Amino acid sequence: EDQVTQSPEALRLQEGESSSLNCSYTVSGLRGLFWYRQDPGKGPEFLFTLYSAGEEKEKERLKATLTKKESFLHITAPKPEDSATYLCAVQAAMGDMRFGAGTRLTVKP
Amino acid sequence: EAQVTQNPRYLITVTGKKLTVTCSQNMNHEYMSWYRQDPGLGLRQIYYSMNVEVTDKGDVPEGYKVSRKEKRNFPLILESPSPNQTSLYFCASSGQYNEQFFGPGTRLTVL
Repeated sequence: EDQVTQSPEALRLQEGESSSLNCSYTVSGLRGLFWYRQDPGKGPEFLFTLYSAGEEKEKERLKATLTKKESFLHITAPKPEDSATYLCAVQAAMGDMRFGAGTRLTVKP
Repeated sequence: EAQVTQNPRYLITVTGKKLTVTCSQNMNHEYMSWYRQDPGLGLRQIYYSMNVEVTDKGDVPEGYKVSRKEKRNFPLILESPSPNQTSLYFCASSGQYNEQFFGPGTRLTVL
């Protein structure tokens, strides 16, 4: 069965303290792995898509990487405005999507 | 403006009273999907549609129906809502195997 596990569940960082979020997955025929950011009461906002192992993508302070079993979202020198829940999702060959439970990130000034 | 719209945004109803939540997108996307989000469980896919007249079950389809008669619309139907369907619902759309754009959400309470 397809599965997505994110860790940690919650992460508290000081402003400027870099860290990484993990997304482990098992899926039958990976079509794509997605990272989203979600603010309270709002719909998820797209960050990155990764399609194959070894792929990396960057956007401002965020960098996403992908292996055959997991993906990492690296946050470099975070700011308080980076506080949000970060969601990982995989899309399988048949088109169905599976989301992880998310990592709730808090960045203190 | 490219967007996914959902209506209503908030709904309080009673057990057994049929309801429909509408979803519309203006991006000519083939793929549309419905999710529910519950504390501690994350987003779970209810149904998805790869194109017009094509729908498939996600992880939690029981108690829900969908239809895709037009490319832009993908309504979610609860024929006989129950309290365990109280949740925050999101509609999303995308091109095939691309990033999804999410609507603003519908908060449903079933008493």
